[in-house]
Amino acid sequence: NAGVTQTPKFRILKIGQSMTLQCTQDMNHNYMYWYRQDPGMGLKLIYYSVGAGITDKGEVPNGYNVSRSTTEDFPLRLELAAPSQTSVYFCATDYGTGGEQYFGPGTRLTVT
Amino acid sequence: QKEVEQNSGPLSVPEGAIASLNCTYSDRVSQSFFWYRQYSGKSPELIMSIYSNGDKEDGRFTAQLNKASQYVSLLIRDSQPSDSATYLCAVRRRSQGNLIFGKGTKLSVKP
Repeated sequence: NAGVTQTPKFRILKIGQSMTLQCTQDMNHNYMYWYRQDPGMGLKLIYYSVGAGITDKGEVPNGYNVSRSTTEDFPLRLELAAPSQTSVYFCATDYGTGGEQYFGPGTRLTVT
Repeated sequence: QKEVEQNSGPLSVPEGAIASLNCTYSDRVSQSFFWYRQYSGKSPELIMSIYSNGDKEDGRFTAQLNKASQYVSLLIRDSQPSDSATYLCAVRRRSQGNLIFGKGTKLSVKP
């Protein structure tokens, strides 16, 4: 039981490049979330999904896209990377019943 | 007013002392409350959840919730150097959905 996994752990992108951050969970959770964390700041919600085929924007969605084709996977796509997207990205999951939320190990992204 | 506010610290306590971490939230309809511990370079790790007024104890940790005052706290008894980390307060406004996080309080426990 791996819980929530994320790949890659680290990535350096050049301005204008694109990439996909992967998130997979084996906890059978319905809800999945993408947060970003900038230094000294709390986590901010980018996108979330309440189930396969259903996604919605969070607080800071600009420059990102998501899809949810299965219960297990929730990839985050960055198109045309910008320095402002330098951050640590965390995927999280829960059952969607108001209970506890669990985080993956994170992806540290630098855009130069 | 920020939705979830925490003192950024650092909060420094000697080993064996009680560390007291505080958090206030602005949305009165908030329903569930969480404390996460985050070591440098790591992901947030859930340590306590609390849903109703009063105290909830788990080992050396006690979470306290006062909905009338919109205040939630975390007490760590017998603090250890391994407790040194940033503690994030998180609030869920509705019965389900994303968490709203504070910026975190950095705790340092000195041997």
